[in-house]
Amino acid sequence: EDQVTQSPEALRLQEGESSSLNCSYTVSGLRGLFWYRQDPGKGPEFLFTLYSAGEEKEKERLKATLTKKESFLHITAPKPEDSATYLCAALTSGTYKYIFGTGTRLKVLA
Amino acid sequence: ETGVTQSPTHLIKTRGQQVTLRCSSQSGHNTVSWYQQALGQGPQFIFQYYREEENGRGNFPPRFSGLQFPNYSSELNVNALELDDSALYLCASSLEPQNEQFFGPGTRLTVL
Repeated sequence: EDQVTQSPEALRLQEGESSSLNCSYTVSGLRGLFWYRQDPGKGPEFLFTLYSAGEEKEKERLKATLTKKESFLHITAPKPEDSATYLCAALTSGTYKYIFGTGTRLKVLA
Repeated sequence: ETGVTQSPTHLIKTRGQQVTLRCSSQSGHNTVSWYQQALGQGPQFIFQYYREEENGRGNFPPRFSGLQFPNYSSELNVNALELDDSALYLCASSLEPQNEQFFGPGTRLTVL
C-alpha cells in the first residue's frame, strides 16, 4: 500500500537552531515528491518539487533533498516566522494519486 | 494574477443531505485536485480533474463526485453526508497534472 510517513510529529527549536524533517515514502512508483508549508487556517503553500534521487533544491533557509526511500527538509538557522506545519506529498506514477504525510508541526522560539 | 478561490468559506449541513463545493482555478491552470483534511491530519486526495476529465482518484466512495468546467473551474459534490465528512475541503490547481499545486483557502464543512 502506498504510504508517506513524516517525522517527527512535532518539533520545537530555538531561533538559530538548525534541524531536519524527515519524509519516508513507500509507493509503487514516484512521479514527484512535493514539500508544502501550511499555516493554521490556511491552505498549503508550495515549497519544492523533487523528481529524482540525488536532487536538491534550496530556498532561503530551507533545503530539500531526495533519496530512493526518503526526503529531508533541512532548516538552517530558523526564525520564528518559520513556525508552521510542513507537509510532504508523493505523486505516484501511473494513475495520478497524491499521498500526503500527516506533517511536522514546527515551532521556532525567539 | 488571481489565486485559487473556493466557496463557500463555511458550511453546516445535516446527516443525509447533499453538498456542492466550488473552486476557481488559478489563471492558466488546467488541472484541479480536491482534498479532505481532518483536524491535525494531512490532506487526503479525493480526485483530480485534467481538461474536464477525471485523471486520478483516491480511496473515497462514489458518493464523492466532481466536475470540471470548460473554464477549468470545478465542483465537488458529496451525497448522503455522514458525520465523518466534517472536515476542511481543499482545492488545488496546477499548470499540468504533474506540476506543483497551488491551494485555495478551503471550505470548512460541518455535518451535524
